[in-house]
Amino acid sequence: AQSVAQPEDQVNVAEGNPLTVKCTYSVSGNPYLFWYVQYPNRGLQFLLKYITGDNLVKGSYGFEAEFNKSQTSFHLKKPSALVSDSALYFCAVRPTYGGSQGNLIFGKGTKLSVKP
Amino acid sequence: NAGVTQTPKFQVLKTGQSMTLQCAQDMNHEYMSWYRQDPGMGLRLIHYSVGAGITDQGEVPNGYNVSRSTTEDFPLRLLSAAPSQTSVYFCASSYATRGTGGGTEAFFGQGTRLTVV
Repeated sequence: AQSVAQPEDQVNVAEGNPLTVKCTYSVSGNPYLFWYVQYPNRGLQFLLKYITGDNLVKGSYGFEAEFNKSQTSFHLKKPSALVSDSALYFCAVRPTYGGSQGNLIFGKGTKLSVKP
Repeated sequence: NAGVTQTPKFQVLKTGQSMTLQCAQDMNHEYMSWYRQDPGMGLRLIHYSVGAGITDQGEVPNGYNVSRSTTEDFPLRLLSAAPSQTSVYFCASSYATRGTGGGTEAFFGQGTRLTVV
């Protein structure tokens, strides 16, 4: 079965330190990869995506993500965390063929907590 | 430009009652979908539609019906609510999801928090 794994339920970081939120996937072919953020009592907001090309993609609010095809990973990163980055982060994958083609498959989410 | 609008934001139902969650988008997106979000489960796809008149089941379709009579609207119907349907429901839309359009991001509504007692 196709799946997305976010191995950490929660990541704690001090403000100003770099952060990484991990994502690996088990999806055939060359899927499209996305990161979304959810603030309390809000919908999901798009952060960034990988389609093709450079393995390091840059997105909103200073976030970036590194795609690694051999490890089937798409880790979210930020060089210097802010308290306002505290939120729930979802990795999502859109398969390009097969029964789930076109639909987003989400990880379970990682809660990021940035302390002053 | 309102994006994706969901109504209501909150709802409490009694077991066995029916209701419809409304979803509308004003971006002329062909693809629309419904997800439910439960703690520790991420978002799971309930139903989706690739265009007016076309709907299909997702990962967790049981107990839910959908229809897509227009490009703009994609309502989700609970025919006989059960406590297991207590969740937060999100509607999403995308310009496209396949071929060269597969890389377009999805836009989400603010969610409907449903409690079934």
